[in-house]
Amino acid sequence: EIVMTQSPATLSVSPGERATLSCRASQSVGSNLVWYQQKPGQAPRLLIYGASTRATGIPARFSGSGSGTEFTLTISSLQSEDFAVYYCQQYNNWPPYTFGQGTKLEIK
Amino acid sequence: EVQLVESGGGLVKPGGSLRLSCAASGFTFSSYNMNWVRQAPGKGLEWVSSISSSSTYIYYADSLKGRFTISRDNAKNSLYLQMNSLRAEDTAVYYCARSDRGWFDPWGQGTLVTVSS
Repeated sequence: EIVMTQSPATLSVSPGERATLSCRASQSVGSNLVWYQQKPGQAPRLLIYGASTRATGIPARFSGSGSGTEFTLTISSLQSEDFAVYYCQQYNNWPPYTFGQGTKLEIK
Repeated sequence: EVQLVESGGGLVKPGGSLRLSCAASGFTFSSYNMNWVRQAPGKGLEWVSSISSSSTYIYYADSLKGRFTISRDNAKNSLYLQMNSLRAEDTAVYYCARSDRGWFDPWGQGTLVTVSS
């Protein structure tokens, strides 16, 4: 089973600033990684697939990068609606599909 | 509009059973693999089970140890999860989600399952 590790657990950033979230895989997953955003009381929403491709309707301030075992989600200029929990998930080796434990992005 | 609507959650005693349903609309249900993912209160996401479009391939998380059964009815555009021998640690919001080339999109709003005496 591939273990996904996200860091940091909590990130405090001011609106308008840049946020950088990390996700590490215990073995290579190629580019087979996605990022989801989850707000309180809501289902997760797909942000990025294929490590770097934005899903339909996702603003350009969200970008993904990386391959192999190291991945990054960058939000270039934080808006109030971006404060949420973010999860990465690998789909290279399954079952099982595995998720990171999440990074909570909070307002500083 | 693609929509997934779960139902069937509720309060059940340890050792009990529950059947979750997910009604799909807005897409050709029979063409997609489908999944269940759960989230314990205040915790992260955990994949539970996947089923291929024609039910040929079915997969489960090892932690379930044969207690859960996924199924689908393409004529009714519906996905199911039969949960038996429920434990306190099965308490979670259960989401159904469509597979799209390996990831999950979209997700339903979830249904809460609480296992407690």
